[in-house]
Amino acid sequence: NAGVTQTPKFRVLKTGQSMTLLCAQDMNHEYMYWYRQDPGMGLRLIHYSVGEGTTAKGEVPDGYNVSRLKKQNFLLGLESAAPSQTSVYFCASSDPGSGQPQHFGDGTRLSIL
Amino acid sequence: KQEVTQIPAALSVPEGENLVLNCSFTDSAIYNLQWFRQDPGKGLTSLLLIQSSQREQTSGRLNASLDKSSGRSTLYIAASQPGDSATYLCAVMDSSYKLIFGSGTRLLVRP
Repeated sequence: NAGVTQTPKFRVLKTGQSMTLLCAQDMNHEYMYWYRQDPGMGLRLIHYSVGEGTTAKGEVPDGYNVSRLKKQNFLLGLESAAPSQTSVYFCASSDPGSGQPQHFGDGTRLSIL
Repeated sequence: KQEVTQIPAALSVPEGENLVLNCSFTDSAIYNLQWFRQDPGKGLTSLLLIQSSQREQTSGRLNASLDKSSGRSTLYIAASQPGDSATYLCAVMDSSYKLIFGSGTRLLVRP
């Protein structure tokens, strides 16, 4: 059981480039989340989804877009990368009504030069 | 707006010591509170989840308490070991099932 899988694990971009981060979960969870973690800080919510075809803004959504075309996948896009988006990105999924905690992927380290 | 604060930011203790990590939150209307462990360069591992109606949860050497009325939670680690060295994150879940994280406590257990 793979849980939550994020690809890629590392990426270096130049300012202005675009890219998509992929998150896949195999636990049939309805809820999926994208967070960013900056040095010395906790995780901050970027966007989340409460089910297939839905998305919603979190605390720090500017500069990012997301899509949830399939229940098991949640994509995070950067249309025009900026140095301020250098961070570690984590994806998570959950079934809140079950009383179980969120399951996290191992993260994607993204550097914007 | 919910804010989560963790004190201390860093802690260094000798092996075998019992220790307490603190977490406070500003809005008592929470769905649950979760404690996570994060090793360097890794993702988050769930340690304990306390539902809003519960007062504490235990797992092995770990015990987490919740006092919603005062907006506080503590994570108690008994007989600490070098393998407990990591960053410990506290997070509260709101009624929309979103987690709000504290900035963590970096723990070093010295052999």
